Formats: sequence, structure tokens, C-alpha cells
Amino acid sequence: DTAVSQTPKYLVTQMGNDKSIKCEQNLGHDTMYWYKQDSKKFLKIMFSYNNKELIINETVPNRFSPKSPDKAHLNLHINSLELGDSAVYFCASSQRLAGPSYNEQFFGPGTRLTVL
Amino acid sequence: RKEVEQDPGPFNVPEGATVAFNCTYSNSASQSFFWYRQDCRKEPKLLMSVYSSGNEDGRFTAQLNRASQYISLLIRDSKLSDSATYLCVVTLSGGYQKVTFGTGTKLQVIP
Repeated sequence: DTAVSQTPKYLVTQMGNDKSIKCEQNLGHDTMYWYKQDSKKFLKIMFSYNNKELIINETVPNRFSPKSPDKAHLNLHINSLELGDSAVYFCASSQRLAGPSYNEQFFGPGTRLTVL
Repeated sequence: RKEVEQDPGPFNVPEGATVAFNCTYSNSASQSFFWYRQDCRKEPKLLMSVYSSGNEDGRFTAQLNRASQYISLLIRDSKLSDSATYLCVVTLSGGYQKVTFGTGTKLQVIP
């Protein structure tokens, strides 16, 4: 069974549309993340949720709205898509967020978003 | 200066060669360090943690130099399957963990 899954794997859409990406983890982890990896392969954190609570919002435009219905799911909704939103979006989870020791992050397979 | 910097490469090495990558970090208060591996069009996966005393896992050795603020990854006896992008990860604690990924170093092992 896949530990962290994302749907869809590929998403091609027109500028101005609204789209959602779903993420689910079956690891029993408390913390989930959204990352954006651009064409230069830079992996940048967007959001982090801990037990359904938003912890990190890294200066992401408010067109991006994460939603966590429960701690196993973290979805990403994007309004008014722009060309610059084209990237691979990775969901990840870790056992917990806070504390002195880092917890390994497990990544989903990624969603390749292309905005035309 | 970027928080975490890596030489993007690519490093093209023949099979059997030894290759080393460095990663520098700017914040001296950084606490934990890791190497992730990302295959082409795949997700990143943890390769190994980096400890102050250095650590080894088979052909892979990771080192931390706090004085000079860099970590390194050494791969001995390179295999074709080692071809990937290697991402350096640095964490900083301050209420919650701040995790920063480097841009990665691409390795291509040539037959």
C-alpha cells in the first residue's frame, strides 16, 4: 500500500481555472506538508499542518488554500491559476513536527501541474 | 546568501569512481542535517542522516563540519543506479522545525 498518495498525478488546465489536488497518508503521522518544486528543481515548502492545524504558511499567495479534513488528509485548492503555478507539487508527511529531533518526511509521488 | 547551497552539477563520473558533494548552510544554529535522493520525475526519499561524528552506510559516508558550516556526502564505487539528484536538508528548531532543502546536486554515473 502506498504510504503517501496524491491525486491527480498530472493536471493540465487553462489560466484562470480553479483546481484541487488531494493527498492522503496511511502512516498515522501527525504532520503533513505541501511543497512546490519548480522547473529549476528547487523544493520549497508551502504549508505544514499538524493534527489538522495550520502551522507553516510560507508566503504563499492566498489563491492557494490548504484544507485538512482530518490528520490523514491534506488537500490543496488553487484559485485563478497562473502560468507561474506550473510546477510539481509534492505532499509529504512526518510523524510529528515540533521537537528537537527531525522526523523523516515521506513524500507522495507528486502532481505535475501545467497551466496553459 | 542562500540558506542552503549546493553545486547543481551535473557530476559525470565513471562506474566505480568515488565522488563527493558538499552542501553549505548559512545559519550556524542549524541543528539537524540529512541527505535525500531524488530520481528523475520521482519524489525525494531519505538517503541518510548526518551526525556530528560522521556516519557510514555501505558505500555512502556523510560528514558534518560545523565550524565551516557544511555537510558532505561521499559515494564510493559508484553504480549506475546511483544516478540521481542528491538533496541536502537542513533543519532549524524554533518552536517548530524549519526544514530547508538545497537545490540538489545531479549525479550521472556513466558505464
